[in-house]
Amino acid sequence: GAVVSQHPSWVICKSGTSVKIECRSLDFQATTMFWYRQFPKQSLMLMATSNEGSKATYEQGVEKDKFLINHASLTLSTLTVTSAHPEDSSFYICSARLAAQNTQYFGPGTRLTVL
Amino acid sequence: AQTVTQSQPEMSVQEAETVTLSCTYDTSESNYYLFWYKQPPSRQMILVIRQEAYKQQNATENRFSVNFQKAAKSFSLKISDSQLGDTAMYFCAFSIQGAQKLVFGQGTRLTINP
Repeated sequence: GAVVSQHPSWVICKSGTSVKIECRSLDFQATTMFWYRQFPKQSLMLMATSNEGSKATYEQGVEKDKFLINHASLTLSTLTVTSAHPEDSSFYICSARLAAQNTQYFGPGTRLTVL
Repeated sequence: AQTVTQSQPEMSVQEAETVTLSCTYDTSESNYYLFWYKQPPSRQMILVIRQEAYKQQNATENRFSVNFQKAAKSFSLKISDSQLGDTAMYFCAFSIQGAQKLVFGQGTRLTINP
């Protein structure tokens, strides 16, 4: 149990375009999901906390207008990178919190390359 | 502020050996949760083991066990009979009860050699 999917697993886009990444909890409901960014050989950096039915909470230094988060249902959160630039190229990981265990379960990640 | 420290950037052991990864944390809270996640080359973050701070008994999951020392704020992971598939980056993480964020350590890269 506690499976989280993420789609797409990798995406290449042109500079200036927008990219949407989906995160789904497959076998549990999650009122809270999280979006992380991971640079090579580094730990995970929390970008924002996604709350079902309300606005996301962004970490300091993360541009909310650039990284749009929508958590419209208890099993789906989306991250849209707007007007992507090469510096947005990275590995993005989502997680969903299983409240009964106070535990986050992670998706497989999305590698974004902006040309 | 809560912090998690993993003092071993890299470790390497032979297959079938036992290895212990260190983790210390700093918090003034009394109710919290501790986790070990592994990230193999596929980069999928996988939960290895979790521990509730109010439980004195150390958590165990098959070959994985922890040594939780609350007073010392230490949470080490022991891997017994290590296997090639255990090769991964291991992250220690912590969350306060009631809060939802995870605080991660910087990770320990573990290599199991045949």
